[in-house]
Amino acid sequence: SQKIEQNSEALNIQEGKTATLTCNYTNYSPAYLQWYRQDPGRGPVFLLLIRENEKEKRKERLKVTFDTTLKQSLFHITASQPADSATYLCALDPYNNNDMRFGAGTRLTVKP
Amino acid sequence: KAGVTQTPRYLIKTRGQQVTLSCSPISGHRSVSWYQQTPGQGLQFLFEYFSETQRNKGNFPGRFSGRQFSNSRSEMNVSTLELGDSALYLCASSSGRYQETQYFGPGTRLLVL
Repeated sequence: SQKIEQNSEALNIQEGKTATLTCNYTNYSPAYLQWYRQDPGRGPVFLLLIRENEKEKRKERLKVTFDTTLKQSLFHITASQPADSATYLCALDPYNNNDMRFGAGTRLTVKP
Repeated sequence: KAGVTQTPRYLIKTRGQQVTLSCSPISGHRSVSWYQQTPGQGLQFLFEYFSETQRNKGNFPGRFSGRQFSNSRSEMNVSTLELGDSALYLCASSSGRYQETQYFGPGTRLLVL
């Protein structure tokens, strides 16, 4: 079956450390993968998009990798801050036909 | 540029009623997608409209329907509401012919009693 799995439901880290979130998918061959941030009671906010021919993409303290062989994306937040506490969702459009699939999300808590 | 707006923000209905939710995309965006988010199922795709045409539909019963107007505003309707329809309904807009970056609205919180 086709699945998108974010292997940690919750992740707690200390301020200043690097948070690493994982997104694995099976039986898809997406052209790109996206990461979103969602705060309680609000809609997701787009963070980064990485295409299948890109290994890594960075934006400020954020870094995303995309390994199409492993069918995995890693999302890193360096020098984490309590304000980074939120749920992070990975998403992909598996058949490039406008049917976006989201992972269940990882709830990140950064403790001061 | 104004973001995606959704109305109403909160709604309480009873079983068997119907409901219509509205979404106004970012100006210039022609694609609007609708999602249902629940604690148990996460974010699930309902349907996507582009230039007034439904291009794709998720795995939801026919009680869930939608439409898009010529100004790209979209509505979704749920008929014969069930308790399990209680959820946060999110719409997202994007600019291009393919979804790529999506900009989400704040959502409509629907409670079915």
